[in-house]
Amino acid sequence: DAGVTQSPTHLIKTRGQHVTLRCSPISGHKSVSWYQQVLGQGPQFIFQYYEKEERGRGNFPDRFSARQFPNYSSELNVNALLLGDSALYLCASSLETTPNTEAFFGQGTRLTVV
Amino acid sequence: KQEVTQIPAALSVPEGENLVLNCSFTDSAIYNLQWFRQDPGKGLTSLLLIQSSQREQTSGRLNASLDKSSGRSTLYIAASQPGDSATYLCAVIGNYQLIWGAGTKLIIKP
Repeated sequence: DAGVTQSPTHLIKTRGQHVTLRCSPISGHKSVSWYQQVLGQGPQFIFQYYEKEERGRGNFPDRFSARQFPNYSSELNVNALLLGDSALYLCASSLETTPNTEAFFGQGTRLTVV
Repeated sequence: KQEVTQIPAALSVPEGENLVLNCSFTDSAIYNLQWFRQDPGKGLTSLLLIQSSQREQTSGRLNASLDKSSGRSTLYIAASQPGDSATYLCAVIGNYQLIWGAGTKLIIKP
């Protein structure tokens, strides 16, 4: 079975632009979460979606938004990019919502804002 | 507010040694705790999940323990190998999110 897949793997954008990151969870998993990891730090929670509904949101500005589709894949959108948005964006897939089940992560999307 | 700390930030040991990585958290009212491995520039690989009702979990050369009352978890790696070199992160599992430490960067010298 395929694991969590994220696309693209790397991305370079200019300040002020918009970006869309994509995530496909493990087959049968209904929950997708997004995390931002700045170099040298642990990941920070952005969103959790379960059954296409937002279940949790971290301390990120409204420039960050996400959605989950009927096939449980998910998109993370970031508007008006800032240099500080440069990070590794990680998607986590789980069978149910946390805290009940183990989270599995994709390889991430490395976003560089110049 | 839950805070997770991992000490040391970096560790370098010769191949073959047994070692312990530490994770502490400030709020003992956690659900579960999960240990991950991260290779440079890569995503996160789940190593062990310890449920709040458990005291420890084992997988191969890895053993993780959880003491909720003291707010501590340890990851024990037996007979370390150069391939174990990576950053190890612990995450406390809350209502809908994982709360992370900054990780311990482990280097195993051949």
